[in-house]
Amino acid sequence: DIQMTQSPSSLSASVGDRVTITCRASQGINNNLAWFQQIPGKAPKSLIYAASTLQSGVPAKFSGSGSGTDFTLTINSLQPEDFATYYCQQHDNYPITFGPGTKVDIK
Amino acid sequence: EVQLVESGGGLVQPGGSLRLSCAASGFTFRDYYMDWVRQAPGKGLEWVGRSRNKPNGYTTEYAASVKGRFTISRDDSQNSVYLQMNSLQIDDTAVYYCARVGGTSWNKATPDNWGQGTLVTVSS
Repeated sequence: DIQMTQSPSSLSASVGDRVTITCRASQGINNNLAWFQQIPGKAPKSLIYAASTLQSGVPAKFSGSGSGTDFTLTINSLQPEDFATYYCQQHDNYPITFGPGTKVDIK
Repeated sequence: EVQLVESGGGLVQPGGSLRLSCAASGFTFRDYYMDWVRQAPGKGLEWVGRSRNKPNGYTTEYAASVKGRFTISRDDSQNSVYLQMNSLQIDDTAVYYCARVGGTSWNKATPDNWGQGTLVTVSS
């Protein structure tokens, strides 16, 4: 199975900040990497697939990059509604696996 | 608008069974793969399994943790996907989400829309 790790596990940021979250796969995943946002008590929301392609309706403040095994999610100009937990997921191989999540909270 | 509505969750004893349903609307259900993903209380997301569409033989994939106990099926005439859960264990307690998979090629084979989830509690 492909293991996914994320760093940091949590971070504190202020409104207006730019934040970057890193995701690493235990082997190459052909850029088949997705990012999800989850607000407590809510269903996940899909943000990005194929490492850098925004899902329909997702604002351009979110961006993804990376290749091979190392990927990043960047959120520009953090707003109150962006404080959430972010998960990466590899969609290159079965079983599909998620990272453990990065919690972004208010400083 | 894509809508996915799960139902069937509840309290079940260890060793028991439960069948979850996910009713889809707002898109051509038969064209899409569908996933089940779960989240134990206070924990992260765990992929449970996938149902492929008719052109791909209605085949399924499962996580090792549920293989042999859980079965995913679908009824395209009812725009629904199901998760039959047998031999339930305490650590199957979770919110179960159904999700539409964005495409059949690997670069799009990830959820693009999610239901609101249904809670399954396994306890004696």
